[in-house]
Amino acid sequence: ELKVEQNPLFLSMQEGKNYTIYCNYSTTSDRLYWYRQDPGKSLESLFVLLSNGAVKQEGRLMASLDTKARLSTLHITAAVHDLSATYFCAVWMGNSGTYKYIFGTGTRLKVLA
Amino acid sequence: ETGVTQSPTHLIKTRGQQVTLRCSSQSGHNTVSWYQQALGQGPQFIFQYYREEENGRGNFPPRFSGLQFPNYSSELNVNALELDDSALYLCASSRGQGPYEQYFGPGTRLTVT
Repeated sequence: ELKVEQNPLFLSMQEGKNYTIYCNYSTTSDRLYWYRQDPGKSLESLFVLLSNGAVKQEGRLMASLDTKARLSTLHITAAVHDLSATYFCAVWMGNSGTYKYIFGTGTRLKVLA
Repeated sequence: ETGVTQSPTHLIKTRGQQVTLRCSSQSGHNTVSWYQQALGQGPQFIFQYYREEENGRGNFPPRFSGLQFPNYSSELNVNALELDDSALYLCASSRGQGPYEQYFGPGTRLTVT
């Protein structure tokens, strides 16, 4: 059974600091997604990573994918309060008729002023 | 361009009842996925519909069923409601089956008493 694990589960960091969230998954997949969710809100798509070695950046967030290690990272540079949210990674697997999306446990990020 | 919409926003049902949730996909999207998100947890994939056919399914019992219509809108039906069905139900649309970027609706909050 595919498992997707994130760490840390909770992260409290000071503004201006850097940190990395890790997403490990247990089976072969070369499709990985990162989402952001604010409290009481829906999910916002951040990144779609479609191949080994893919790297994408948007503002203070950068995501990468290593399919051989079954690992994706979400790096936060010089955090600001507006980045406080829960971040999920998700893995896609399967073929036509058997698709599944498996979400990680989420990382709740709080950026302190 | 119209985004993903869901109705109703909130719903309260009694154990044993049946419920239907609705989702209108984003313009140009022919694929809809449904997710259940319990409080404090990550979304759990229920199923995906592509061109009116179920295209993938998560680990949910048959009392969770769905439909997709020719205009690509979709319904999620849940029979014999249980207390554990209380959750936020999210739908997401994408422009094709499989590993495309998903755009999420605002969700329907279902409470089962």
